[in-house]
Amino acid sequence: EIVMTQSPATLSVSPGERATLSCRASQSVSSNLAWYQQKPGQAPRLLIYGASTRATGIPARFSGSGSGTEFTLTISSLQSEDFAVYYCQQYNNWPPTWTFGQGTKVEIK
Amino acid sequence: QVTLRESGPALVKPTQTLTLTCTFSGFSLSTSGMCVSWIRQPPGKALEWLALIDWDDDKYYSTSLKTRLTISKDTSKNQVVLTMTNMDPVDTATYYCARIQWGSGWLDYWGQGTLVTVSS
Repeated sequence: EIVMTQSPATLSVSPGERATLSCRASQSVSSNLAWYQQKPGQAPRLLIYGASTRATGIPARFSGSGSGTEFTLTISSLQSEDFAVYYCQQYNNWPPTWTFGQGTKVEIK
Repeated sequence: QVTLRESGPALVKPTQTLTLTCTFSGFSLSTSGMCVSWIRQPPGKALEWLALIDWDDDKYYSTSLKTRLTISKDTSKNQVVLTMTNMDPVDTATYYCARIQWGSGWLDYWGQGTLVTVSS
């Protein structure tokens, strides 16, 4: 099983600042990585797929990068609605044995 | 507009079998390339992928839970059903269904989830 490790567990950021979240895979997943945002009491929302492609309707302040085992989600200027938990997910296998990271909570500093 | 909604019991006893239904609209599981997956999230913990069924009725399961899970579909009702046997308190979680398009791997639309508590 591919293990996904996210860091940091919690990120304290002031509104308007940049946030950088990391996700590491235990083995190469090529660019088969997605990012999701989850707010309290809500379902996850797809932000990024293919490591760097924004999903429909996702603002340009969200960007993804990386390939292989190291990935980054950057939020260029945090808005109040961006404070949430962010998960990465690898989908390198089909049939699926997909796995998620433990999440990074972005909180208001 | 794609929507999904999970339904099922909020409380099950240990050793019982859980049956959850995902009712969806805005797409059809008879359309080539369409798939529905189940994912769960214990309180305060991370997401865990459970199972997937595709338009061709192929089924895939989490390796660790394979012996306990069954996924099925009723195309005429736009529903996908997940059963999980021998429930345990560690299975307490919010259970989500989500749509995937074949070959993609990312979950593009999610239901709101249903919380299932396992307790005697």
